[in-house]
Amino acid sequence: NFMLTQPHSVSESPGKTVTISCTRSSGNIASIYVHWYQQRPGSSPTTVIYKDDQRPSWVPDRFSGSIDSSSNSASLTISGLKTEDEADYYCQSSDGSNVLFGGGTKLTVL
Amino acid sequence: EVQLLESGGGLVQPGGSLRLSCAASGFTFNNYAMNWVRQAPGKGLEWVSTISGSGGGTYYADSVKGRFTISRDNAKKTLYLQMNSLRAEDTAVYYCAKASPAAQAMFDSWGQGTLVTVSS
Repeated sequence: NFMLTQPHSVSESPGKTVTISCTRSSGNIASIYVHWYQQRPGSSPTTVIYKDDQRPSWVPDRFSGSIDSSSNSASLTISGLKTEDEADYYCQSSDGSNVLFGGGTKLTVL
Repeated sequence: EVQLLESGGGLVQPGGSLRLSCAASGFTFNNYAMNWVRQAPGKGLEWVSTISGSGGGTYYADSVKGRFTISRDNAKKTLYLQMNSLRAEDTAVYYCAKASPAAQAMFDSWGQGTLVTVSS
């Protein structure tokens, strides 16, 4: 088994770009798919990125995902930040029959 | 439109039991694996269990293995979670989530959640 580690919180100003990392504790990040979910306060999660870098059609192209083998991490990047992007973001993957979530990152847009 | 509606949450004493239900609509239920994911108050998401479309395959997180049982009734388009020997640490909002056809072990639709509180 492995763990997915995210920063507890990040903050940035409207219009700027922010990147949230998700680091795999052991094993090669490139050998698994990583998905990203957004959870606004009081709401259920929704998918913003799947299979590392794929974006659902309803998600604006300000959201992008990537993999960096050198740091063994996946990243979610949000450009042109809007106040509506303020939410918790979770990375998620699977290790065989087990499903793992990162601890979540609280994004504050101030 | 996919709709998932959980029910069955409530207050239960430690050691007690509870059965959650998730009524599905808007998609061919038996074609998709289904999942339970929980979120303790103020905490992150935790996967609980997965069941295959046919119901023949079930998977559990170590934290609930042997205490929780996932099942489904494809005729009724309903997912269940039988929770026994409940502990305080099982207190959480329990979400029903549909598996995505786009990727293994990815969730593309979530219910609104049902709150389970384990307390004396």
